[in-house]
Amino acid sequence: EAGVAQSPRYKIIEKRQSVAFWCNPISGHATLYWYQQILGQGPKLLIQFQNNGVVDDSQLPKDRFSAERLKGVDSTLKIQPAKLEDSAVYLCASSSLRQGARGYTFGSGTRLTVV
Amino acid sequence: SQELEQSPQSLIVQEGKNLTINCTSSKTLYGLYWYKQKYGEGLIFLMMLQKGGEEKSHEKITAKLDEKKQQSSLHITASQPSHAGIYLCGADVNAGNMLTFGGGTRLMVKP
Repeated sequence: EAGVAQSPRYKIIEKRQSVAFWCNPISGHATLYWYQQILGQGPKLLIQFQNNGVVDDSQLPKDRFSAERLKGVDSTLKIQPAKLEDSAVYLCASSSLRQGARGYTFGSGTRLTVV
Repeated sequence: SQELEQSPQSLIVQEGKNLTINCTSSKTLYGLYWYKQKYGEGLIFLMMLQKGGEEKSHEKITAKLDEKKQQSSLHITASQPSHAGIYLCGADVNAGNMLTFGGGTRLMVKP
């Protein structure tokens, strides 16, 4: 079974620029999560999708962050404009409805550096 | 305040020594998950605990869940350099489908 795919693997941008991350979950997984992990901290949930609908985006900084999962499969997370404090690893995870939290599979993450 | 507190935040041990990492929740636990993360990479699932008193082992790693204390411990016996990394506990505190994570414990094993 293919895992959760994320790209790019690394990204370096200047502050105030825009950036987008892509995630392809495991086939058949209805639930998709984006987490932000700042160096030295644990992952923090940004947004949770179920199919193409948003379940929880309470911790997403909506003035600069946006995410979509239009067809209920792939997802894109965008930051516009980026700030220095957005430097972090952005992790995507997916799970099936049946397994929920028990079935989390993580991608390798995208490491963002904002300079 | 943090829903999940991990201790210690970092740990340096000599190869061959035992060590314990703790994870305490401020909310009722519906499931407690342990993950390992190499620097800059994704999370690798280690173990899941659901019932009070439950204990699971995988190779030299043992995890226990104390439901009453809302606490879990991860114990590594005879540590090796391959055990080095970040250990994260994740908790299902909403009875179903989302994990909240602790701050992580950074483990270094000196040869």
